[in-house]
Amino acid sequence: AQTIHQWPVAEIKAVGSPLSLGCTIKGKSSPNLYWYWQATGGTLQQLFYSITVGQVESVVQLNLSASRPKDDQFILSTEKLLLSHSGFYLCAWSRRGRYEQYFGPGTRLTVL
Amino acid sequence: GDSVTQTEGLVTLTEGLPVMLNCTYQTAYSTFLFWYVQHLNEAPKLLLKSSTDNKRTEHQGFHATLHKSSSSFHLQKSSAQLSDSALYYCALRIASSSFSKLVFGQGTSLSVVP
Repeated sequence: AQTIHQWPVAEIKAVGSPLSLGCTIKGKSSPNLYWYWQATGGTLQQLFYSITVGQVESVVQLNLSASRPKDDQFILSTEKLLLSHSGFYLCAWSRRGRYEQYFGPGTRLTVL
Repeated sequence: GDSVTQTEGLVTLTEGLPVMLNCTYQTAYSTFLFWYVQHLNEAPKLLLKSSTDNKRTEHQGFHATLHKSSSSFHLQKSSAQLSDSALYYCALRIASSSFSKLVFGQGTSLSVVP
């Protein structure tokens, strides 16, 4: 069975500080991977997607970047956090050729 | 452009009554819709996915039917339970893209009370 982990579970960071969030999926080779952001009380917005190692496409510009250093790993980062970056960050995966996406447990980020 | 509309922000129901959460969509491409459920402080979980036109799909007591004629994929359940209280999102897969992009509606918060 596939399992998806995200780290850290929660972060409290200062404006202007760097950020790195991670996602690992086990039990599935070559998944499509996605990053989503959910503002408090808001809907889910897709940020990035990746279909293979080393290749990431941006969907929405939020002064964030993403990388896929390994087949099972997806990283979200920024060098300078903004207050507007606060929210719930979710990693998701899908099988090649399938449309449904499955979400990880998420990381709750608070920027002060 | 492609979009999903959930008209109700909050639905409050008494336990045992039927549930119906509305979802309409707009797309110029082939249609794939999903319902996700998100309990408080948890990640969204896939609840249902659409099948062919006018075919009902069911899972965990919930069901939905894709109606292309009315561009709808409403979520229904015959009898609400307290544990159904959660946030429900309808999502549309954008078929024009080379990847699986999902566009989510604004969500409907379902509150089931005794």
